[in-house]
Amino acid sequence: EAGVTQSPTHLIKTRGQQATLRCSPISGHTSVYWYQQALGLGLQFLLWYDEGEERNRGNFPPRFSGRQFPNYSSELNVNALELEDSALYLCASSLGGNLGTDTQYFGPGTRLTVL
Amino acid sequence: AQSVTQPDIHITVSEGASLELRCNYSYGATPYLFWYVQSPGQGLQLLLKYFSGDTLVQGIKGFEAEFKRSQSSFNLRKPSVHWSDAAEYFCAVAGAGTYKYIFGTGTRLKVLA
Repeated sequence: EAGVTQSPTHLIKTRGQQATLRCSPISGHTSVYWYQQALGLGLQFLLWYDEGEERNRGNFPPRFSGRQFPNYSSELNVNALELEDSALYLCASSLGGNLGTDTQYFGPGTRLTVL
Repeated sequence: AQSVTQPDIHITVSEGASLELRCNYSYGATPYLFWYVQSPGQGLQLLLKYFSGDTLVQGIKGFEAEFKRSQSSFNLRKPSVHWSDAAEYFCAVAGAGTYKYIFGTGTRLKVLA
């Protein structure tokens, strides 16, 4: 069974540009989560999508947005890039529904570098 | 406030030695607890999880963790470390219906041959 996949592996942008990151969940999973892993800050929750709807977001500005497609894959968009957006962006998927009994499985991440 | 603390940023052990990685949490309700491992350049792999029941949880790769409610701890242990265990380890907490994990800042494990 294929795991969570993310593309691209690396992405280099300049300040003010937009970045689009993609994630394909494990087959059968309907929930997708996005996390930012910045150096020294650990993993910070960004967004949760389930059944095509945004269910919750973390403490990030509105220029971080995304969507989930009918096939449950997801995009994360970061507008007006700033230097501090440089980080590893991790996507995770789960079966959906109650997180308490739902384990999240992570992809390998996209390394975003903003110059 | 909900939080997870991993007090040790770096730990170095010799191959074959025992290991204990500490995790303390602050959470208002009954927590669900997880340990993940991240090898360089890779995503997070689930080692084990605790939802309820037996407070000693067995995971993959010979790891185990013990939930101690009175100490708000969920420490990860392994009796004999292998060189391939060198990685970064993350503890996380969540609750039913809260739909987001709160991660600790990680502990980087170095294994000496």
